[in-house]
Amino acid sequence: DTGVSQDPRHKITKRGQNVTFRCDPISEHNRLYWYRQTLGQGPEFLTYFQNEAQLEKSRLLSDRFSAERPKGSFSTLEIQRTEQGDSAMYLCASSVLGKSKQGANTEAFFGQGTRLTVV
Amino acid sequence: TQLLEQSPQFLSIQEGENLTVYCNSSSVFSSLQWYRQEPGEGPVLLVTVVTGGEVKKLKRLTFQFGDARKDSSLHITAAQPGDTGLYLCAGARGSSNTGKLIFGQGTTLQVKP
Repeated sequence: DTGVSQDPRHKITKRGQNVTFRCDPISEHNRLYWYRQTLGQGPEFLTYFQNEAQLEKSRLLSDRFSAERPKGSFSTLEIQRTEQGDSAMYLCASSVLGKSKQGANTEAFFGQGTRLTVV
Repeated sequence: TQLLEQSPQFLSIQEGENLTVYCNSSSVFSSLQWYRQEPGEGPVLLVTVVTGGEVKKLKRLTFQFGDARKDSSLHITAAQPGDTGLYLCAGARGSSNTGKLIFGQGTTLQVKP
């Protein structure tokens, strides 16, 4: 399968614990995004990487959140000292910069997401 | 304040009926995409529209981008139970080249057999 892969699919954790999620993008995609989606809402942007550089972070991304993409391939999203409000679906997406087809630069392909439940 | 407003938020129809979902904004987008999402899964890209007034068809689905690139619609003809899901519109702002998407809140469609 050559799509975006996320691990784990589900995570239940106690409040105050740290959690880490992994995303493997489509191999030739140089852009990687993290989004968060709560029930009944559309995804909200969290952060964006181009290759290994983190170029933008949303105000939603508090100090407890950190994302890395050390070699410009896979990415991790860590949440420290989890709170119940962090319960959500965390989605990773990838896209490729440089396609000549109009609009293709913004076409994002999503993974299946990691469902986080903080109890 | 939602930058992209989708309507209706919920739609329950019988198999064979037609429906239209709207995605509206006061902002201009360089491109707009429609996704379909099933419970517990990530969104799946259906179509990208980039030109004002553009119409694209995908089998029984017709997508239109407004002339001013501020709104879009999705029309489904003869809906089937397999069309059930959450439909999301998402736009990329013209001022940014990051590919970051702004999503609407989604339209939940239920097609009953």
